[in-house]
Amino acid sequence: AAGVIQSPRHLIKEKRETATLKCYPIPRHDTVYWYQQGPGQDPQFLISFYEKMQSDKGSIPDRFSAQQFSDYHSELNMSSLELGDSALYFCASSLDRNNSPLHFGNGTRLTVT
Amino acid sequence: ELKVEQNPLFLSMQEGKNYTIYCNYSTTSDRLYWYRQDPGKSLESLFVLLSNGAVKQEGRLMASLDTKARLSTLHITAAVHDLSATYFCAVDGDDMRFGAGTRLTVKP
Repeated sequence: AAGVIQSPRHLIKEKRETATLKCYPIPRHDTVYWYQQGPGQDPQFLISFYEKMQSDKGSIPDRFSAQQFSDYHSELNMSSLELGDSALYFCASSLDRNNSPLHFGNGTRLTVT
Repeated sequence: ELKVEQNPLFLSMQEGKNYTIYCNYSTTSDRLYWYRQDPGKSLESLFVLLSNGAVKQEGRLMASLDTKARLSTLHITAAVHDLSATYFCAVDGDDMRFGAGTRLTVKP
């Protein structure tokens, strides 16, 4: 069965650079969530989208932005990268935003040097 | 590649009953997590299991880890309605991998 696809798997950037992470949800899933997991930490919710509109906002820095496109894939744009942005970024999708369980991608590991 | 399988995916149980959720994983790892997720909410950390034979309990939930069998269990004792949620296990290998989640519904 199709799963949530994230790209790239690994990304290395320097401070002050920008990065774009992509998430392709499971077909027919209209809700996408982004999580950030720092080393040794629990995943922190960043932002979610439902039907291409922002649904909920968590601890997403102002330097980050995200959107969901007409094909329901989502991109997380990160600018002015800082060392502390080094983390594993997970995308999850669900069939709807209320009762359906999340399906997680394998994550993008971002390293900022 | 690390794979994590949870079962059951859906669980409907009555209040007061006991049940166990299973989490199998495919490669060696010594760090396993259990999370709870309520609809529309973020993940809530329940347990971190770090070594073979580890057992942790919090209220009506108890988690254990058998690294030799590559199996973790989340046992629910005398379920109450407030436990209704989706429970994820996640395994930390080279990267973190999440199970598909177990959607638990506790009925009166």
